[in-house]
Amino acid sequence: NAGVTQTPKFQVLKTGQSMTLQCAQDMNHNSMYWYRQDPGMGLRLIYYSASEGTTDKGEVPNGYNVSRLNKREFSLRLESAAPSQTSVYFCASSGQGANAYEQYFGPGTRLTVT
Amino acid sequence: QQPVQSPQAVILREGEDAVINCSSSKALYSVHWYRQKHGEAPVFLMILLKGGEQKGHDKISASFNEKKQQSSLYLTASQLSYSGTYFCGTVEYGNKLVFGAGTILRVKS
Repeated sequence: NAGVTQTPKFQVLKTGQSMTLQCAQDMNHNSMYWYRQDPGMGLRLIYYSASEGTTDKGEVPNGYNVSRLNKREFSLRLESAAPSQTSVYFCASSGQGANAYEQYFGPGTRLTVT
Repeated sequence: QQPVQSPQAVILREGEDAVINCSSSKALYSVHWYRQKHGEAPVFLMILLKGGEQKGHDKISASFNEKKQQSSLYLTASQLSYSGTYFCGTVEYGNKLVFGAGTILRVKS
């Protein structure tokens, strides 16, 4: 039981390049989330998926797109990376909605955009 | 709306107690607490759903005053393993979980 896995662990991009961050969970959870973490700002929700086939914007969705590929997988795409997107990205999942249930976080992806 | 955590940072010696506060200006449905060690993912500690509810997790407990929109995390007889950044997350009625900026806790021997 691996929990929540993310790939890659580290990535360096040049401004304007694109990439997809992958996330998978093996806990049969319905809800999945993408957060970014910047120093002094806590965790900010980018997008979430309450269930397979649905996605919705969080606090900071601009510059990102997501795909809920199936119940297990939820990917985050940066179409044209900008230095402001340098951050640590965490994927998380929960059995039901985050409002009343604990979230399980993946190990994170450290992204640097130069 | 992002909840406000205080203090921003605290340094303790082993065995000392600490309190971390979390407050919101809006009515809250629930309060969540997570701990994150340096370079690792956040780990769930507890959720509080009712006004005045108090929960415990080993020597870490928390309270939730629904009327004041405040929650406090209590760390008793702190251990070196308690070091990390503590985040509260709040859920306003009809809205999503929003995390505070975090409180850095360092326990020294």
